[in-house]
Amino acid sequence: AQTVTQSQPEMSVQEAETVTLSCTYDTSESDYYLFWYKQPPSRQMILVIRQEAYKQQNATENRFSVNFQKAAKSFSLKISDSQLGDAAMYFCAYRRRGAQKLVFGQGTRLTINP
Amino acid sequence: GAGVSQSPSNKVTEKGKDVELRCDPISGHTALYWYRQSLGQGLEFLIYFQGNSAPDKSGLPSDRFSAERTGGSVSTLTIQRTQQEDSAVYLCASSLLPVSYEQYFGPGTRLTVT
Repeated sequence: AQTVTQSQPEMSVQEAETVTLSCTYDTSESDYYLFWYKQPPSRQMILVIRQEAYKQQNATENRFSVNFQKAAKSFSLKISDSQLGDAAMYFCAYRRRGAQKLVFGQGTRLTINP
Repeated sequence: GAGVSQSPSNKVTEKGKDVELRCDPISGHTALYWYRQSLGQGLEFLIYFQGNSAPDKSGLPSDRFSAERTGGSVSTLTIQRTQQEDSAVYLCASSLLPVSYEQYFGPGTRLTVT
């Protein structure tokens, strides 16, 4: 079974600085997708960024980028120029190609200090 | 257009009672998913609908849990004889398969069993 591990229950960063959230996963599959979701206090999960395993290039969305290391099964999220609105729970998730369900990590609570 | 909506937003029920949770997916979305978010278990997949059928219901924790989807739209998750361990946030998501696998989440229903 696939598992996703987020080893940092909580992180904090000063506004305007850069923070990296860690995620590792375990799978025997070679074709899959990885995601980072943000969950603010409103509870609504919002997709931040997505990475296809067959792509070597790391995904980037504005201030958000990932460091995807397929051999190490590592998928970290870097948030640059942190803003107060980035404060939320962040979940790393995995989906096997052809499957529908997302497998989530335990989450990292990110606090932004003004 | 409107996003995924869920009702009620919060539900408090007594142990042993039945509850129904409702999900209205984004209009036209063919796939619908239920997840459960609890303190002890994190975010877990419950069931996936494609149209009105459920090809994957592997995450339903017991036979007290059931779900249906009618008209390829609204879905209801029913929990019979609720137990305290059923207390959690129940999240619904939808996607426009096969055009896009991205899952759009609703705000969830917080269920508290007393």
